[in-house]
Amino acid sequence: SQKIEQNSEALNIQEGKTATLTCNYTNYSPAYLQWYRQDPGRGPVFLLLIRENEKEKRKERLKVTFDTTLKQSLFHITASQPADSATYLCALDRGFNKFYFGSGTKLNVKP
Amino acid sequence: GAGVSQTPSNKVTEKGKYVELRCDPISGHTALYWYRQSLGQGPEFLIYFQGTGAADDSGLPNDRFFAVRPEGSVSTLKIQRTERGDSAVYLCASSYTSGTVNTGELFFGEGSRLTVL
Repeated sequence: SQKIEQNSEALNIQEGKTATLTCNYTNYSPAYLQWYRQDPGRGPVFLLLIRENEKEKRKERLKVTFDTTLKQSLFHITASQPADSATYLCALDRGFNKFYFGSGTKLNVKP
Repeated sequence: GAGVSQTPSNKVTEKGKYVELRCDPISGHTALYWYRQSLGQGPEFLIYFQGTGAADDSGLPNDRFFAVRPEGSVSTLKIQRTERGDSAVYLCASSYTSGTVNTGELFFGEGSRLTVL
């Protein structure tokens, strides 16, 4: 079965730096991969989607890469701000409109 | 409403009781999902509806769990004979599909936190 791995340890960075979060998966490569943000006590909020034939996707200060050879996606937040502190989840398309989530990585941006 | 609405936001029940959790998706979204999230974990897939039918219920942990979506809009997740291990946040999400194409973006509600004592 598909396994999705995100660093369970929190990532602590200084305001203004670039945060890089990793999502690794095993077995088959999904048709697309998504990243979500989740704040405590709230539901996940969609950020970005990247398809298997796309190497990179950008949205304002966010950038996602997708390497199907390495079976890895990287999620970058440039010029990070304390308001970016949250848990970030990656989700893989499992086919037939099903999506599986990683356990998420908590990002702490310190002022 | 503008977003996915879930009720109740919190539910405390006793072991062995029956509970119902309700989800009102975004209008026009034909796909509806139920996920379960335990502390420190990512959302775990339970069931997916396309319209009124359950297209995939492979994530339901056992036959105590059941979900319906009779008119293709509101959905209810039903849990019989609740156990302490059922305690979690139950998340509902909806998305737009056109034919067999899913735009991919899931819109989540705020969840229903279930505590079984």
